Amino acid sequence: DQQVKQNSPSLSVQEGRISILNCDYTNSMFDYFLWYKKYPAEGPTFLISISSIKDKNEDGRFTVFLNKSAKHLSLHIVPSQPGDSAVYFCAATPFTASKLTFGTGTRLQVTL
Amino acid sequence: NAGVTQTPKFRVLKTGQSMTLLCAQDMNHEYMYWYRQDPGMGLRLIHYSVGEGTTAKGEVPDGYNVSRLKKQNFLLGLESAAPSQTSVYFCASNTESYYEQYFGPGTRLTVT
Repeated sequence: DQQVKQNSPSLSVQEGRISILNCDYTNSMFDYFLWYKKYPAEGPTFLISISSIKDKNEDGRFTVFLNKSAKHLSLHIVPSQPGDSAVYFCAATPFTASKLTFGTGTRLQVTL
Repeated sequence: NAGVTQTPKFRVLKTGQSMTLLCAQDMNHEYMYWYRQDPGMGLRLIHYSVGEGTTAKGEVPDGYNVSRLKKQNFLLGLESAAPSQTSVYFCASNTESYYEQYFGPGTRLTVT
């Protein structure tokens, strides 16, 4: 039972344009959400997070939106840069838990 | 400050052999985790620990054992390796108060 789903395995975007990565979840107990970025042959690194009491969180070029009623979150990268090319994982957890549930990842390629 | 380190980086095993993967963190984190990453499957939690001397099962614990004898180390053991355990293994850690996990660089294991 995949509780966190990233339905797009890959995404290609031109440099300077907006990248939108999507994530859906089924567990209504989730109330904290995170995005991780992973380069080949490296471990994932934390990118940005959002609590269920918010619907938007921004950090520089990265913005995460949360739609609790739709159980959907998205990561916007504006403007996209070639260095953003990586695999992006969304993850979720209830506040009371000590572990994350990850999605399957979306490979973003930013082309020149 | 090395963060999270993993030993070894690569390993090839024959079916039935055993091995131990070592994870070490120098951030005084309470929580430590072992994940495996497989194509199309994302990051799946194998076992985790909420403090020295404690361990708990994650999503895919079968075939693996763990120990947390020292706060800074988390060991993952394969008693009798199987080809299905061919994967990239990541260790992560975090403090009790924060959900953002810090990941190691990974161990690529091949079982033939």
